[in-house]
Amino acid sequence: DADVTQTPRNRITKTGKRIMLECSQTKGHDRMYWYRQDPGLGLQLIYYSFDVKDINKGEISDGYSVSRQAQAKFSLSLESAIPNQTALYFCATSDKQGASYNEQFFGPGTRLTVL
Amino acid sequence: GENVEQHPSTLSVQEGDSAVIKCTYSDSASNYFPWYKQELGKGPQLIIDIRSNVGEKKDQRIAVTLNKTAKHFSLHITETQPEDSAVYFCAASSGFGNEKLTFGTGTRLTIIP
Repeated sequence: DADVTQTPRNRITKTGKRIMLECSQTKGHDRMYWYRQDPGLGLQLIYYSFDVKDINKGEISDGYSVSRQAQAKFSLSLESAIPNQTALYFCATSDKQGASYNEQFFGPGTRLTVL
Repeated sequence: GENVEQHPSTLSVQEGDSAVIKCTYSDSASNYFPWYKQELGKGPQLIIDIRSNVGEKKDQRIAVTLNKTAKHFSLHITETQPEDSAVYFCAASSGFGNEKLTFGTGTRLTIIP
């Protein structure tokens, strides 16, 4: 079984619709992240959460919101989707390694298309 | 904030030859430099990493070198094989207990049989 799962894997929606992408993990990690991947732009951080009560904006948080429902669940919402939010979205987790948190474990991604 | 530049964006090499991908970073406080491999339809996966107190690290056919003075690090893949074809991302991170990764823009590596 996959340690980091994302649902749905593919989604097509229309401009103005509210969309929620979900991420679950069985790794027991306390830190979770949402990234967006566009061709030629690499991975850009949208939001990150160090624990259930600690949520922080990343580089490109405008137009997005998140909810950390439990240690294992971190959801990303697009309140009113627009076409330039068409992208591949990845969830990732990390845990403490010695004195620092470093390696991130990625889910399989959600391909979102906004028409 | 941190800025990571990665070159080249695409790279094709003959099977058995070596491949080198280079990254530069801007924040001198960065102390952790991982490389991720992303295969088609999958999420990125860590293949090797290096911390700022080490100049080189090797794991079988892959190696990473770090030049802190010049603020650049490189991924070296020797004896390339078809399964090495993928997109590779470098990243940089700084601080303890509050790290975030800043990623490069990726290199699409194609191994020609």
